[in-house]
Amino acid sequence: GQQLNQSPQSMFIQEGEDVSMNCTSSSIFNTWLWYKQDPGEGPVLLIALYKAGELTSNGRLTAQFGITRKDSFLNISASIPSDVGIYFCVRYKLSFGAGTTVTVRA
Amino acid sequence: DVKVTQSSRYLVKRTGEKVFLECVQDMDHENMFWYRQDPGLGLRLIYFSYDVKMKEKGDIPEGYSVSREKKERFSLILESASTNQTSMYLCASSRQVEPSTDTQYFGPGTRLTVL
Repeated sequence: GQQLNQSPQSMFIQEGEDVSMNCTSSSIFNTWLWYKQDPGEGPVLLIALYKAGELTSNGRLTAQFGITRKDSFLNISASIPSDVGIYFCVRYKLSFGAGTTVTVRA
Repeated sequence: DVKVTQSSRYLVKRTGEKVFLECVQDMDHENMFWYRQDPGLGLRLIYFSYDVKMKEKGDIPEGYSVSREKKERFSLILESASTNQTSMYLCASSRQVEPSTDTQYFGPGTRLTVL
């Protein structure tokens, strides 16, 4: 299938720092979804993007649908300990990227 | 609240055994999905179902089959378990016909170990 490349693969951050991660694909598609998986739980939808250039916020989270429709970015501002987890981008036909694992140091 | 439940959190089976993983959702969703999650590979779609008795292969269906006899229940079957099927298995459901644009609700996962 078509591949999604997420980076970074993992990150260690200080509480209060801002976090950025991205997802790229060689193909164009019309929807980007970002999910978060807490330890020991199933993933939960954070943000959905449906239009190129779209910028959407959900609390401290902001995601953007790239103009080329081949990438998306997720930013977390002022990280807190409960931001720990794995963040996945998801494309059409339900393929998930490999995830970005975030660990927050107090 | 949508609830997706999976029959076991942890399961240990032997090579060659037939394994059933059960998933039940209580929100009358049309679509149900089975994924496996492995480190560094993310979630990979095994099968999904958009209606009772309907199923479609995902990215990695080999070695698996599924059954959807009732709307609320979607079963994943390993006909003859192998050690490379040791993984975390996640079930999900969603309502809309176009699953890529609708929220998927996930169960807590079943960690299967095949010895």
